[in-house]
Amino acid sequence: GAVVSQHPSWVICKSGTSVKIECRSLDFQATTMFWYRQFPKQSLMLMATSNEGSKATYEQGVEKDKFLINHASLTLSTLTVTSAHPEDSSFYICSAGGTSGYEQYFGPGTRLTVT
Amino acid sequence: GENVEQHPSTLSVQEGDSAVIKCTYSDSASNYFPWYKQELGKRPQLIIDIRSNVGEKKDQRIAVTLNKTAKHFSLHITETQPEDSAVYFCAASSKQAGTALIFGKGTTLSVSS
Repeated sequence: GAVVSQHPSWVICKSGTSVKIECRSLDFQATTMFWYRQFPKQSLMLMATSNEGSKATYEQGVEKDKFLINHASLTLSTLTVTSAHPEDSSFYICSAGGTSGYEQYFGPGTRLTVT
Repeated sequence: GENVEQHPSTLSVQEGDSAVIKCTYSDSASNYFPWYKQELGKRPQLIIDIRSNVGEKKDQRIAVTLNKTAKHFSLHITETQPEDSAVYFCAASSKQAGTALIFGKGTTLSVSS
């Protein structure tokens, strides 16, 4: 149990275009999901907290108009990178916390490359 | 907000030796401290975790200790094997269950045979 999926697993896009990444909790309901970004050889940096039915909470320094987060249901959160630039190229990982405990369940990640 | 420091950044050991990775946290309200192993291009994999009401937890070759007063926690791996080679991250979260994890910068562990 506690499986989180992400789609796509990798994507290449041109500079200036937008990319949507989906994060789904497959066998549990997630009232809260988190989005992280990981650059090569670096740690996971929290970008935002996504709450079902309400606006996301962004970490300092993360542009909310550039990284659009929608959590329309208890099993789906989406991250849209708008007007992507090469510096947005990174590994994006979502996680979901069930209501029963502290542990978080990570998606497999999405490798975004902006050319 | 929470800040997690992790040391060392790289660690090389011989097969069979022990490895210790240390982390400190800043938020005294933090009460959950997991450790993750991450292989290149993969998601972090939880290897052990500890809550603030416990001082030590062990699972076969892996153990974690927590000192709440000093706000630090450590990962201990005994009898290391080459397959233990990976990047290890500590993390902390505060308040109630379901809050975001704040990660340390990671330790690259290399186990040579």
